[in-house]
Amino acid sequence: DTGVSQDPRHKITKRGQNVTFRCDPISEHNRLYWYRQTLGQGPEFLTYFQNEAQLEKSRLLSDRFSAERPKGSFSTLEIQRTEQGDSAMYLCASSLDRGLGNTIYFGEGSWLTVV
Amino acid sequence: EDQVTQSPEALRLQEGESSSLNCSYTVSGLRGLFWYRQDPGKGPEFLFTLYSAGEEKEKERLKATLTKKESFLHITAPKPEDSATYLCAVTGVMDSSYKLIFGSGTRLLVRP
Repeated sequence: DTGVSQDPRHKITKRGQNVTFRCDPISEHNRLYWYRQTLGQGPEFLTYFQNEAQLEKSRLLSDRFSAERPKGSFSTLEIQRTEQGDSAMYLCASSLDRGLGNTIYFGEGSWLTVV
Repeated sequence: EDQVTQSPEALRLQEGESSSLNCSYTVSGLRGLFWYRQDPGKGPEFLFTLYSAGEEKEKERLKATLTKKESFLHITAPKPEDSATYLCAVTGVMDSSYKLIFGSGTRLLVRP
């Protein structure tokens, strides 16, 4: 069990550029989540996949954000036309649907700085 | 709307000085309450899940308890390596995604 893997760990981009983050969940985990975290705050939910289906999106996820999970394996989060307000840590998490015992495990996060 | 409030925002302890962190929650039917530890620049690390009032769980110097309105994370005789941000989160029975709603965390600093 290698844990949730995220790439890149750090990204600095100029305002207006597009960025893409990749997440590899724990093997066989069918649920996948993206969260965003800014300094001094707890993680905020962005979107949720069950297998390859994107079942829920937060109001925080503007039209510039898109997420995919092809074939229910890895996931990507793309931010188009980045703004300085997008600077944050983007966390991916996964879990196995076992009803009550649905523990969510997080990756190390991808730091985005928009300059 | 589901909500989690953690207090205090920050806590400084001397090594060996026991204390408690508070997590108050509002949720339409609690499915589970979760505690995570987060070190600077890293993702949250799972500690405990509590499901019903009266439940307690322990791990080394940490003990988590749950009532119908709040949870406490008790830290007994802390060491400097316990310094981290401790996050509380809930998920409600009405939420089919099982997503977590987090509080802002308590930043704990344990001085030697």
